[in-house]
Amino acid sequence: GENVEQHPSTLSVQEGDSAVIKCTYSDSASNYFPWYKQELGKRPQLIIDIRSNVGEKKDQRIAVTLNKTAKHFSLHITETQPEDSAVYFCAAITPHMSNFGNEKLTFGTGTRLTIIP
Amino acid sequence: GAGVSQSPSNKVTEKGKDVELRCDPISGHTALYWYRQSLGQGLEFLIYFQGNSAPDKSGLPSDRFSAERTGGSVSTLTIQRTQQEDSAVYLCASSLVGGGGNTIYFGEGSWLTVV
Repeated sequence: GENVEQHPSTLSVQEGDSAVIKCTYSDSASNYFPWYKQELGKRPQLIIDIRSNVGEKKDQRIAVTLNKTAKHFSLHITETQPEDSAVYFCAAITPHMSNFGNEKLTFGTGTRLTIIP
Repeated sequence: GAGVSQSPSNKVTEKGKDVELRCDPISGHTALYWYRQSLGQGLEFLIYFQGNSAPDKSGLPSDRFSAERTGGSVSTLTIQRTQQEDSAVYLCASSLVGGGGNTIYFGEGSWLTVV
């Protein structure tokens, strides 16, 4: 099955600096890579996603890059703000072609991001 | 409803009792997921439903855990003879269809404490 590794587990950056979180996946058939932000005591919420036919996607201060050859993808947050402090999870979906819909979303272990004012 | 709804939001139960957790996905969503998150930990996959069928049950931690989904909508996760290690947040999520590429929305979770 799919295995997703995420680094670092904790990250502290000065307000205004950039933060980068990296994930690798094991199954080359994985084709969808969402990123979730989870604030303390809240549900995970999707912040950005990327499909395997795209190398980069940007949404304001957030960008995600995907390297299919190396099987890794990264989240980039620029001009960080205190409200960016949260736990971030990467994830990958591997569809099973023999049984459409038979797949699960495999999460990384999470990165606790702290923005220092 | 507007989002994924889970109940109860909080449940304290005695060790050895059975509990049922309910998930009401977003209307029209055929894919439904259950995850478990222990305090400060990541998201552990439990089970995935496409419609009423659960092709992947590999994540259920033991035979004390079971889940069903009827009518392609509401799902129930049942934990029998609860143990203290079952204490966690149980998160349900749904998406329009499976197969990847569709946004997966999470509920607020059911916080289970086994004492």
